[in-house]
Amino acid sequence: QVHLVESGGGVVQPGRSLRLSCAASGFTFSSYAMHWVRQAPGKGLEWVAGIAYDGTNKYYADSVKGRFTISRDNSKNTLYLQMDSLRIEDTAVYYCARATAIVPFDFWGQGTLVTVSS
Amino acid sequence: QSVLTQPPSASGTPGQRVTISCSGSSSNIGSNTVNWYQQLPGTAPKLLIYSNNQRPSGVPDRISGSKSGTSASLAISGLQSEDEADYYCAAWDDSLNGWVFGGGTKLTVL
Repeated sequence: QVHLVESGGGVVQPGRSLRLSCAASGFTFSSYAMHWVRQAPGKGLEWVAGIAYDGTNKYYADSVKGRFTISRDNSKNTLYLQMDSLRIEDTAVYYCARATAIVPFDFWGQGTLVTVSS
Repeated sequence: QSVLTQPPSASGTPGQRVTISCSGSSSNIGSNTVNWYQQLPGTAPKLLIYSNNQRPSGVPDRISGSKSGTSASLAISGLQSEDEADYYCAAWDDSLNGWVFGGGTKLTVL
């Protein structure tokens, strides 16, 4: 069965960096686009970034463009999110999610909490 | 402020039918399909409806979706206590070149 496990969250000071990982199993990772979606405490869902199945195309929300970088290693079945110049408003649970052209975000991980605080 | 607009709350009694609306614009719902997600308390979101009205395997047929113009709706009939959750709509936005979500609707089963 499809399994997505995020890791790398934690407490970090404003302006610092953090890298999240999402380990995938139970499906052919290299055949699917992948995304990061976040949820601030008590708030709704916000799409953060997406990457094509082969890593050639990447998309970012305006709120993170220039600060966050999405990448993937298909040989390791792992998705990444490099987060630089973190801001307090980046505090959220970060979910990775699988997608196809027809079915977006069909499976989600359990999320990893990132807290940006001084 | 979310790009897609949903009512913050909805409610119904067991057995009733409830609908949740999602309003957008020509750059998102007006030109792309709508998807719906259910988020139970303390859990990750779950896909409920994709391509406006398609149910993934395992989603009961008492749950349905529709779209007209720049708006979409999620309908849940035969309301059950386990339907109490937050519901989100989502669509691709051609102008933003990214995915947009509604602000979410908290469904309460009275």
